[in-house]
Formats: sequence, C-alpha cells, structure tokens
Amino acid sequence: AQSVAQPEDQVNVAEGNPLTVKCTYSVSGNPYLFWYVQYPNRGLQFLLKYITGDNLVKGSYGFEAEFNKSQTSFHLKKPSALVSDSALYFCAVRGKIWTGGFKTIFGAGTRLFVKA
Amino acid sequence: DVKVTQSSRYLVKRTGEKVFLECVQDMDHENMFWYRQDPGLGLRLIYFSYDVKMKEKGDIPEGYSVSREKKERFSLILESASTNQTSMYLCASSLTATAELAKNIQYFGAGTRLSVL
Repeated sequence: AQSVAQPEDQVNVAEGNPLTVKCTYSVSGNPYLFWYVQYPNRGLQFLLKYITGDNLVKGSYGFEAEFNKSQTSFHLKKPSALVSDSALYFCAVRGKIWTGGFKTIFGAGTRLFVKA
Repeated sequence: DVKVTQSSRYLVKRTGEKVFLECVQDMDHENMFWYRQDPGLGLRLIYFSYDVKMKEKGDIPEGYSVSREKKERFSLILESASTNQTSMYLCASSLTATAELAKNIQYFGAGTRLSVL
C-alpha cells in the first residue's frame, strides 16, 4: 500500500539558518511526490513536485526538495529560513489509481517554526 | 489563478442536524475532492468526483455524502451531524483525471471549520 510519513511533528529553526523538513514514502512503481504548504487560516498551496528527471527539484519561495530513491525520501529544504516560512508543510505521494485517475495521499504534516 | 471557494469559513451546528458544505471552482476542473484535516492525521480523503454526477468514496466516507450536479460545484453533506465530525474540511480541485502528472496539482479552498455541539 502507498503511504507517506513525516517523522517530525514540528521543526524549529532560527531565521537565516538552513531548514529541512523530512518525508519518506512507500509506493509500488515510480513515485510521484509533492510538497504543499498551509499558512494559518488558509488552504494548502502547491510548492513543488517530483515526477521524473533531476533529483533536486526547485519550487516556490526558494524551497527545493531532494528525491532519494535508495532511501525512499523526499526531504524539503531551504538554504536560509525566513520567519514568514513558518507554516504547516505536507508531503504527498500519488496513490492508487481509481477509475480514470489518481489519488493523492498526504502525510500528517510538519509544523515549521522559524524564530527571528 | 485558480480559485476554489468554500462558502463558509466557520460553521456551528447541533448534533443530528443536516449540514451542507459548498465548494465552487472557477477553472473548469474535472476533479474535485473533499478532505477533512485533523491534527496529527493530516488530510484524509472523504469523497471525490471526476465528472458531473460521478462520485467515488475516499478513505473515510462513512457519515458523509456528496453531490455534483454542475461541474464547478461539489457539495459535501453530513446527513446527521455528530460530534466526531467536528473538524476542518478542505475542498480541492484538479485539472483532469487523465492529465499528465505534471498538471495534476490540486488547488485548495481556504477551508471550513465545522463545530458540532
């Protein structure tokens, strides 16, 4: 069965420091992976995706993610954190195929807190 | 920009009431989804629809039903609300069920926080 795990409920980082939000996955076949961000009182917003190709994927707001097939991981990274990056981050993987399409499976979420 | 609008940001209902949550998208997307979001559990799929009048059960459909009479509108119905349905409900849409994956990004509404007393 397809699944995605975010091992940390919360990540704390000082502004200006690099940040990493971890994600591991389990899928049959090729993995298709996504990161979404949720700011307070808002819906989720797409950040970036890995479909195929280069293992380092660049997305919105200076975020990037590294796909590692051997470790089945897709960690979200940013070289220099901003206070405004504080939000809830969700990793997601394409799930099983239903009639005519696909289902997205979301992790439990990791709350990122960036301290000034 | 794609806009997904949920009609209510906050709702307070009583146990046993019938509750309607409405969602409208303005980008002619074929797919629409209803999730509930609970702390520590992430997003769980309740129902989805890949075409008008078509619906499929997600992971937690019990106690819910949906309606999609028009392409742009997807309604979630709680037939008889219970306290364990107190949650944040998120609606989402995506382009098409068979689109290449690069296009199959979901766009979310701001959410409806439902409290059942």
